[in-house]
Amino acid sequence: AQSVTQLDSQVPVFEEAPVELRCNYSSSVSVYLFWYVQYPNQGLQLLLKYLSGSTLVKGINGFEAEFNKSQTSFHLRKPSVHISDTAEYFCAVLSGNTGKLIFGQGTTLQVKP
Amino acid sequence: IAGITQAPTSQILAAGRRMTLRCTQDMRHNAMYWYRQDLGLGLRLIHYSNTAGTTGKGEVPDGYSVSRANTDDFPLTLASAVPSQTSVYFCASSGQGGGEQFFGPGTRLTVL
Repeated sequence: AQSVTQLDSQVPVFEEAPVELRCNYSSSVSVYLFWYVQYPNQGLQLLLKYLSGSTLVKGINGFEAEFNKSQTSFHLRKPSVHISDTAEYFCAVLSGNTGKLIFGQGTTLQVKP
Repeated sequence: IAGITQAPTSQILAAGRRMTLRCTQDMRHNAMYWYRQDLGLGLRLIHYSNTAGTTGKGEVPDGYSVSRANTDDFPLTLASAVPSQTSVYFCASSGQGGGEQFFGPGTRLTVL
């Protein structure tokens, strides 16, 4: 069965510092990977997705992620965060068997001034 | 273009009462989903529908039912609410290919 593990429940960081949110997945088949962001009291919004092709994927708001098949990882990065990036971030994998998304537990990014 | 709408935005409900959460999408997506979000657990799939007229069980279906009479609507019903169903509920939909799901704004449900 496929699964997703987000290695940090909370990541505090100062404004303008770089950040990496870690995500590992388990899958025996081809994977489609996603990062979603949830701002306070809102629904989830797609940040970026990896379906195939280049392993470095660029998304909205300056975020990017790198698909690493050998390490089964899909870490999310941003070189310089803003206060407005404070949110919950979810990594997800699309199950090849069921066609449904499997979500990680989420990582709270707290950007401090 | 509204995307996905959910109603109500929030609700406080007495245990034992019946409740239907509404979800409507205007993107003509075939697939629709209901998730619940609980602190530390991420999003868990309750029920899904790959196309109008069909539904399936997700990871946590007990105590919930769904119907899919048409493409646009996917209501979620709690037949007899219990306090453990206190949660934030999200509806989502997806179209052909890509796997991306679009989410509604959520319904915050409190069962007392």
